[in-house]
This record gives sequence, structure tokens and C-alpha cells, in this order.
Amino acid sequence: AQTVTQSQPEMSVQEAETVTLSCTYDTSESDYYLFWYKQPPSRQMILVIRQEAYKQQNATENRFSVNFQKAAKSFSLKISDSQLGDAAMYFCAYKGGNDMRFGAGTRLTVKP
Amino acid sequence: NAGVMQNPRHLVRRRGQEARLRCSPMKGHSHVYWYRQLPEEGLKFMVYLQKENIIDESGMPKERFSAEFPKEGPSILRIQQVVRGDSAAYFCASAPSRVLPLHFGNGTRLTVT
Repeated sequence: AQTVTQSQPEMSVQEAETVTLSCTYDTSESDYYLFWYKQPPSRQMILVIRQEAYKQQNATENRFSVNFQKAAKSFSLKISDSQLGDAAMYFCAYKGGNDMRFGAGTRLTVKP
Repeated sequence: NAGVMQNPRHLVRRRGQEARLRCSPMKGHSHVYWYRQLPEEGLKFMVYLQKENIIDESGMPKERFSAEFPKEGPSILRIQQVVRGDSAAYFCASAPSRVLPLHFGNGTRLTVT
């Protein structure tokens, strides 16, 4: 079974600074997808960024980028120029077969 | 194009009653997933459906829980004889195909008293 591990229950960053959220996963599949979702207090799940495993180039979406290390099964999220609105729970997710597996989440606090 | 619609937003049931949670996927999406989220935890996969078919229900309890996605109408997650441990947020997500990312609804928060 695929598992997703987020080892940082909580992280804090100063506004305008950069923060990196860690994620590792376990799989025996070669073709899969990785995602980061953001869940603000409103509880809505918002897709932040996605990465196809067959692509070597790291995905980037504005201030959000990933460091995808396929051999190490690592998929970290970097948030640059952090903003107060970035404060939320962040979930790493793996999609290979029929389902999407989520990590336990990292609560990000942004200090003004 | 409306997003994934879930209703009700909040549902309160007494122990032993039935809970019915509805999910209307985005237009053009034929893949529906249900997840459960306990407080301060991640989302746990429950079931994956396509129109009229259950593809994977490995995350759903064998008893009291059932799901359907009929040819017409929303997907329904049904919980019979609810217990306090069923209290959680239940999220529905849809996608146009198996490989594309999921779009989530705002969830239904079930409280069992």
C-alpha cells in the first residue's frame, strides 16, 4: 500500500520569508502523480501544485515550487515570499492507482 | 461551471439514525471519490466510484456504510445506524479521468449526538 508521510506537524514562517514543507512517500509503482493541497480554516481543499512522476522538471506555480526527488521518494513544497493568506493546513497527496492518499498534514503559521 | 457541490454543509444525527450525504460532481466529471477527515487529521480514502459502478471501496467500513453514483443524480454516501465515532467531515471530490487531480467540495460535517 502507498503511504504518505509529512514529518512536520507544524511550521512557522515570517511574512515575506521562505518555508519548505517536507513530504515522503512509499510506492512500488513507477507512474504516479503527486500533489500539494491547501486547507484554510474554511475547510475547502485547494489544489496548490501537481507533479507527474515521469517529469524530471520540478513543477512551479508562482510563489510555490516543489523539489521532487524520485529516487528518494521525496516531494517537498517551497513557499517563497510567504503571505498571511498562506496560513493553512497543507496536505501532500499521492495518486497512483484508484485512490489518492494523503499525508497527515502540516499546519503552517505565517507571522506578520 | 459550478464546482463540486456537497450538501448539506452540516448534518446532525442522533445515534442510530441514518445519514445521507450528497455530492454533485463538476460538470463533465464521471469519477467521484469520498474521503473522511477527523479533527486535526488528514483525509482518509473511503470509496471511488464511476457512473453506476463502485471501483474501489477498500477504505469504507464493511458495515453500515454504502455509496452509490447513479446514472442520473448525485453521488450518495449513506451511513446507517450512526454512532458517535462517525462524527467527522466527509469530503467528496471529482475528476474527469483517473489521472487528473481531484476537485473537492466543501465537505459535510456530520455530528452524531
